[in-house]
Amino acid sequence: QVQLQESGPGLVKPSGTLSLTCAVSGGSISSTNWWSWVRQPPGKGLEWIGEISHSGRTNYNPSLRSRVTISTDKSKNQLYLKLSSVTAADTAVYYCARDLVAGGDYWGQGTLVTVSS
Amino acid sequence: DIQMTQSPSSLSASVGDRVTITCRASQGISTYLAWFQQIPGKAPKSLIYSASRLQSGVPSRFSGSGSGTDFTLTISSLQPEDFATFYCLQYSTYPFTFGPGTKVDIK
Repeated sequence: QVQLQESGPGLVKPSGTLSLTCAVSGGSISSTNWWSWVRQPPGKGLEWIGEISHSGRTNYNPSLRSRVTISTDKSKNQLYLKLSSVTAADTAVYYCARDLVAGGDYWGQGTLVTVSS
Repeated sequence: DIQMTQSPSSLSASVGDRVTITCRASQGISTYLAWFQQIPGKAPKSLIYSASRLQSGVPSRFSGSGSGTDFTLTISSLQPEDFATFYCLQYSTYPFTFGPGTKVDIK
C-alpha cells in the first residue's frame, strides 16, 4: 500500500519561500509514475501546482511557474515543493498525489501552510 | 487553460437516492477525466478515472460516463458516508484543471 506524507513549516512569512516534503512509502518514487502537488485554499477548490516524473521531467501550472520548483530525492524516496515570493494568497492545504495523469490513486493527508507575518 | 464547470454546485439528497453530477469541459478532453470525493478535513479520494473506470476498492454504486466535453458521475443509491464534495479533474491538457466542486448534503 503506497502512502504519502507531507511535512514542512506551517507558517511562512510573506515574500519568503514555502518548502514542503512528501515522503513516499510502500512504493518507489523511481518507478514509472508522475508525482503531483495540489493545493486547496481554506474553504475553496483544488488547484494543480505541478508534477515531476520518475525521470525528473517537470510540468508546472503557468500561473505559478515563475515561483515553483518540484524535485525529488530518490535516495530518500521523497518529493519536494518550493514556492517562492509567497503572499497570503498562497495560504492553503498542500497535497502531494501520485499519478494524476491516471486519475490520482494515492494522496497524502495534506498540510496547512499559512502565509502571515 | 481548459475550464471545468460542474452542476449543480450543491444538492440535498436522502439516503437511498440516485444522484447525478455533471461536469463539462470548455474543450474536448476525450476521456481524460477523473472524479474525486472529499470529506471535510480529508484529502480527496479517487473514485473514477478515464471517465468511467472505477478505482480499486470503490463501491460499485459509483459510476462515471461521458467523453469529449460532457461527463456525469452517478451514485446509484446514496449512502450516509457519501455526503461530501465531489470534484472532476481533466488531465488531458496542461495545466490540469479541477471543477469547482459539487457539495452533496443531507436533505
